[in-house]
Amino acid sequence: NAGVIQTPRHKVTGKGQEATLWCEPISGHSAVFWYRQTIVQGLEFLTYFRNQAPIDDSGMPKERFSAQMPNQSHSTLKIQSTQPQDSAVYLCASSFRDRGHAEQFFGPGTRLTVL
Amino acid sequence: GQQVQQSPASLVLQEGENAELQCNFSSTATRLQWFYQHPGGRLVSLFYNPSGTKHTGRLTSTTVTNERRSSLHISSSQTTDSGTYFCAIANYGNEKITFGAGTKLTIKP
Repeated sequence: NAGVIQTPRHKVTGKGQEATLWCEPISGHSAVFWYRQTIVQGLEFLTYFRNQAPIDDSGMPKERFSAQMPNQSHSTLKIQSTQPQDSAVYLCASSFRDRGHAEQFFGPGTRLTVL
Repeated sequence: GQQVQQSPASLVLQEGENAELQCNFSSTATRLQWFYQHPGGRLVSLFYNPSGTKHTGRLTSTTVTNERRSSLHISSSQTTDSGTYFCAIANYGNEKITFGAGTKLTIKP
């Protein structure tokens, strides 16, 4: 079990460019979550899917951020027209749900730097 | 929304001392997790502990849901325990978790 896989580990973009981040959940897990981590804001929820369906995107900046889960083996987070304030570590997590138990397991993160 | 308060913000101990980390949350949680993060490292789940007491090695987690608090106890601390510990909770009906600001633990040799 390789755990949650995130690619790339590091990404540098210029202001205004697009960034696409990839996440492969643990096999058999039915929920995928996206969070981001900064020194100033700490750990913030962005969005999550269960059984590939979007459930809650209340943490997503509406205009430039989008997330998809086209199949059960991967999810993507796309940021259009990146801005310096988007610089953060973007974390993906997955979980299974078994009789109320819903522990989340995290990937190593993608460090996004917007110049 | 849900609020999570962790204390202390930072803690410095000598190797061999015990550490006690606290987490208080604003409403009844259905799921509480403790995570560990080494600088630059991934979040590692230590405990999934909505209620009661759980042990693993030198770590003990105790959650008292109706008092809206949880604690993480590290006995006989080691330098490798240094890092940041996060408490995170989720409300009934929604799986997204809200994190506390973390406790930065430094264990000196």
